[in-house]
Amino acid sequence: GDSVTQMEGPVTLSEEAFLTINCTYTATGYPSLFWYVQYPGEGLQLLLKATKADDKGSNKGFEATYRKETTSFHLEKGSVQVSDSAVYFCALPKGGANSKLTFGKGITLSVRP
Amino acid sequence: GAVVSQHPSRVICKSGTSVKIECRSLDFQATTMFWYRQFPKKSLMLMATSNEGSKATYEQGVEKDKFLINHASLTLSTLTVTSAHPEDSSFYICSASRHYEQYFGPGTRLTVT
Repeated sequence: GDSVTQMEGPVTLSEEAFLTINCTYTATGYPSLFWYVQYPGEGLQLLLKATKADDKGSNKGFEATYRKETTSFHLEKGSVQVSDSAVYFCALPKGGANSKLTFGKGITLSVRP
Repeated sequence: GAVVSQHPSRVICKSGTSVKIECRSLDFQATTMFWYRQFPKKSLMLMATSNEGSKATYEQGVEKDKFLINHASLTLSTLTVTSAHPEDSSFYICSASRHYEQYFGPGTRLTVT
């Protein structure tokens, strides 16, 4: 079945460091791909998405490119901030509209000043 | 737009009692809502899909008689944890579907003593 695999965490970086969080997927066809972020004590927020191959999603300095050749959707940011400390989830939907989401295990990012 | 609220944000109940959690889409109508459970340092586990005006669809392994879901209107779904036990303590998150995206509530922390 459809699934996403995220790199193991947690990740600890210093402020202004470069961030890469890996995500690979297994799916039938070419589903939309999502990155969600969960700040401490809160629910999930959509960070960015890509709806087709070669699309690049971007938001708040984060980027991810939908690469069908490597079935990947890695999340990157050139310079992280302390406020980026959160849990990041890669996800893809099963099926069409109103469909369920399959999440990766999530990775905790801690950014130290 | 696309705001989802949950109430309460935190609840403590005694073992054997029932507790109701509400999920509301504040500025849009949602025919489909989802209920997730999140364990500490783990990903989200989809519990059930809540469909307005019909019975919820539960994921394998989720007890439908224990986790009662009602989706009585296009803006409200409720999750009732019946005869709660300490192992039901968790963070419960709902989401509401709009077009091809899900919008998440802030979560409810349930502690059963």
